[in-house]
Amino acid sequence: AQKITQTQPGMFVQEKEAVTLDCTYDTSDQSYGLFWYKQPSSGEMIFLIYQGSYDEQNATEGRYSLNFQKARKSANLVISASQLGDSAMYFCAMREDEAQGGSEKLVFGKGTKLTVNP
Amino acid sequence: DVKVTQSSRYLVKRTGEKVFLECVQDMDHENMFWYRQDPGLGLRLIYFSYDVKMKEKGDIPEGYSVSREKKERFSLILESASTNQTSMYLCAIKLGGGWGRNTEAFFGQGTRLTVV
Repeated sequence: AQKITQTQPGMFVQEKEAVTLDCTYDTSDQSYGLFWYKQPSSGEMIFLIYQGSYDEQNATEGRYSLNFQKARKSANLVISASQLGDSAMYFCAMREDEAQGGSEKLVFGKGTKLTVNP
Repeated sequence: DVKVTQSSRYLVKRTGEKVFLECVQDMDHENMFWYRQDPGLGLRLIYFSYDVKMKEKGDIPEGYSVSREKKERFSLILESASTNQTSMYLCAIKLGGGWGRNTEAFFGQGTRLTVV
């Protein structure tokens, strides 16, 4: 079963507007972590933001924020004031809790391609 | 700054060839990973290693093997390359113990392998 689901293969947004990229996850662990990565056309993977399952506040990093809804098992990425340079693939990922026998690895979603229009 | 270097950016190999993809890190990190990325499928874990000579299978290990003789180098080996192994291959390292803020994965620039 898919552990990370990104339902939007592609998204479009106008420059300077905000955009939300969806991510839902499936886990029975109480302790887990969620990551978002950006991959521009150059291919490098850039870490954006992290949310721990026990974090009481939603994570924020500059223009990036994570809308974490634990009961719904969603961890949507919000990009405020979009810029042309935000055009890229975006991946949501989840770590498995090693304390409960999970492996030391990240599981990725299939990604969302964001295009920012001028 | 953390540096993860993959030996080639682009590679073209023939079916049946033995292919080595190399990944080198410049820090003393235990955990190293190989992923492949295909359009519409995201990143899928092939193998990972948490120490020298230690390795574990990921989700799609078939057709691949790995080698970690030194801490800084993690090699992905395609024993007999096939066209369905044409893909982007990404190496990653993880900082520190556990996963979280300041212990996220850092990736290399990727190797785009074409098997003809």
